[in-house]
This record gives sequence, C-alpha cells and structure tokens, in this order.
Amino acid sequence: GENVEQHPSTLSVQEGDSAVIKCTYSDSASNYFPWYKQELGKRPQLIIDIRSNVGEKKDQRIAVTLNKTAKHFSLHITETQPEDSAVYFCAASKNDYKLSFGAGTTVTVRA
Amino acid sequence: GAGVSQTPSNKVTEKGKYVELRCDPISGHTALYWYRQSLGQGPEFLIYFQGTGAADDSGLPNDRFFAVRPEGSVSTLKIQRTERGDSAVYLCASSLQAGAADTQYFGPGTRLTVL
Repeated sequence: GENVEQHPSTLSVQEGDSAVIKCTYSDSASNYFPWYKQELGKRPQLIIDIRSNVGEKKDQRIAVTLNKTAKHFSLHITETQPEDSAVYFCAASKNDYKLSFGAGTTVTVRA
Repeated sequence: GAGVSQTPSNKVTEKGKYVELRCDPISGHTALYWYRQSLGQGPEFLIYFQGTGAADDSGLPNDRFFAVRPEGSVSTLKIQRTERGDSAVYLCASSLQAGAADTQYFGPGTRLTVL
C-alpha cells in the first residue's frame, strides 16, 4: 500500500518566518495530496490540497508544491503567526477516497 | 451548517467488552469514512462507505471490527471483544461525493480507552 513519510516531526519558527514541511510518497499512482491542520484536541481540517496535474497551488500565506518525478510534495507557510501553531498532516491518495497520512509535524510559532 | 458529529466524545471500557461508536455525517454527503488515530500518528484508514454499502473495508484490522450505514447517513463502528491495543481516537469523515476526491470533513472523534 501507499507509504507517506513526513519531515520534520517538529518545527519551531520565529513569528514572521517561513515554515516548510516535506512529504514523500511511494505509490506513483497517487494523484491527490491534501494537507490537514489539527489543533490540540480538535478535528483535522483541510487547509490546502493539490492534484497531480498541478505543480503548485497557493492560498494566501499557504502554498503547496508537487514533484511527481521525485514523488514528493511540500507545504510552505509564509509570515507565520502564533495561530499557525498546530500539527500538520500530509496525505496521499490514488483512488480519490482512501487517504494515507504522514505521521505529522508539530509546528510551534514563537512570538 | 452543522459539521460531522460523533458520539460519544469519550468512551472508557474494559478489555473484552463490546463498544459502538456513532457518526453523523454532514447532511447530503454520500461518502463516509472511518479512520483511527493513535497518539502521535496520522489518521489510519479503516473503511469507506458509498451510500449504504462498504466500498472498501481493507483497513479494518480484524474481524472484531465492523461498521454499518443502513440508511446511507448515520454510521456505527462496532468493536467486539475490545483489546487494550484498540485504544485510540476514532475519527469519522464525510464528503459530498464518492470517488471524486472531494474534501473529507472530519468529526471531532471518539477517544476510546480500553482498560
């Protein structure tokens, strides 16, 4: 089955700096890559997603890039704010419904 | 509108007992998913419903786990003869359509603790 690896496991950044989280996937048939944010004790919430026919997608301070050849995709958060502190999960899917998640990255934004 | 809801929010049971976890998806969503999240890990796929039928149950760990969605809306995850290793947060999600990579909206989860 699909294996998704996520790095780093923890990330501490100064407020206003950028944060980058990287994920790799194993199944070249994967074609849908969502990113979820999960605050402590809360439900995961989709923040951005990308499909394999697109190389980059941006939504305000958040962007995702996809390299199909290398089978990796990344989340970029610019101008980080304290409310960006959370656990971020990447996921991959080849069949449009079964999401395989990475282990998560705990992001801490220092004020 | 209302999001995905799950009950109970917490469930403590003893090893060997039977438990039922309920999920109410967003109204009109035809697809429903169950995931399990262990501490410090990402959600792990269990089962996916398209309407009333289980379209993919390949993630269910063993035959102690079973899920139903009899009317194509509410779903119940059933665990028989619970074991301590079943302790986790059980997440339910729903999406508007099945097989279209529509956004999966998650519920708050049920934290299951098996003593």
